[in-house]
Amino acid sequence: QVQLVESGGGVVQPGRSLRLSCAASGFTFSSYGMHWVRQAPGKGLEWVAVIWYDGSKKYYGDSVKGRFTMSRDISNNTLYLQMNSLRAEDTAVYYCARESSGTYSFDYWGQGTLVTVSS
Amino acid sequence: SYVLTQPPSVSVAPGKTARITCGGDNIGGKSVHWYQHKPGQAPVLVIYYDSDRPSGIPERFSGSNSGNTATLTISRVEAGDEADYYCHVWDSSSVHHVFGTGTKVTVL
Repeated sequence: QVQLVESGGGVVQPGRSLRLSCAASGFTFSSYGMHWVRQAPGKGLEWVAVIWYDGSKKYYGDSVKGRFTMSRDISNNTLYLQMNSLRAEDTAVYYCARESSGTYSFDYWGQGTLVTVSS
Repeated sequence: SYVLTQPPSVSVAPGKTARITCGGDNIGGKSVHWYQHKPGQAPVLVIYYDSDRPSGIPERFSGSNSGNTATLTISRVEAGDEADYYCHVWDSSSVHHVFGTGTKVTVL
């Protein structure tokens, strides 16, 4: 069965960096676009970034563009989110999600990992 | 940027019908997806392509989309339907994905 497991969250000071990982299993990882979505405390879902199935294209939300970088390692079926210059407003639960082929919908999600940016 | 607006809350009695709207400029020209999100859990896709249901989603969940409003309808509401619901579109002009503001469904 499809599984997505995020890790790497924690408490980090403003201005510092953190890298999140998402381990994928149960499907052909190299065939699907993958996304990061976050939810700040008490807020709604916010799309963060996407990476195409082959890694050839990446797009970022306006609030993270230039600070966050998404990548994927096909050899170990893992998705990454490198977060630099972190701000208090980046505090959120970060979910990785699989894009259903050809639909632009997200058919599988991980349980999320909490990132807290605080001094 | 493209904006999707949902009512903050909807209350419904068990067995009745809940309707959750998602407003956006000419949203009828886009494909709308809906997610159910319960606290501490991963979001679940309940409707894609305006009105299609993924396998395992009850027929009680249905969707429509026209003009400036998309609607998620939950028929014969059950206590287990209590959750936050989000609409979602892909905006081709910005190449960004956009989520609605979210609606908390409370079962009375």
